[in-house]
Amino acid sequence: QKEVEQNSGPLSVPEGAIASLNCTYSDRGSQSFFWYRQYSGKSPELIMSIYSNGDKEDGRFTAQLNKASQYVSLLIRDSQPSDSATYLCAVKTSYDKVIFGPGTSLSVIP
Amino acid sequence: GAGVSQSPSNKVTEKGKDVELRCDPISGHTALYWYRQSLGQGLEFLIYFQGNSAPDKSGLPSDRFSAERTGGSVSTLTIQRTQQEDSAVYLCASQTRRHYEQYFGPGTRLTVT
Repeated sequence: QKEVEQNSGPLSVPEGAIASLNCTYSDRGSQSFFWYRQYSGKSPELIMSIYSNGDKEDGRFTAQLNKASQYVSLLIRDSQPSDSATYLCAVKTSYDKVIFGPGTSLSVIP
Repeated sequence: GAGVSQSPSNKVTEKGKDVELRCDPISGHTALYWYRQSLGQGLEFLIYFQGNSAPDKSGLPSDRFSAERTGGSVSTLTIQRTQQEDSAVYLCASQTRRHYEQYFGPGTRLTVT
């Protein structure tokens, strides 16, 4: 079992729709969770961090964390073509190492 | 403030040569990670340094790869006797002390001919 798993995609959504990206992790003691966005040919950039169960909203982005289910998600409302990128989930494990998932490719169709 | 810098941005080398890749992290960040990313693939963890602790080298693909971090700051990734399969983008990430957020450098694109 991989430590951090994501659907590889590609995920395609029409412009204006909600994109839902999912991530599961295996270390139940994990405490911190991150979403990174990586445009083609660029480095990953941090877009959201979440530490507590529930939702955290930042503009069009909402991160959701459910530690009991070991599940974290990212919702992108009113998706724009500029949101087309690969989204990486990362988890700080109980042994203080940050592990990245394989990423989900998102394509927003105009 | 200044972000993470990496040098060189591009490196073309002949098979069998040694290369050194440099990473300058953000001042005050205690942890530094190296990743490799082949075209169209995800991040492959190589090694990370956390403060004064022994580095976690569990991701290094072979003994041709090594890394050091001097003075808790600048890090150098060395690849000896490069092979064509070493061709990739090598990314360095600097991590905050408190929240473990990583900030990536622009990467070094290594091409082994």
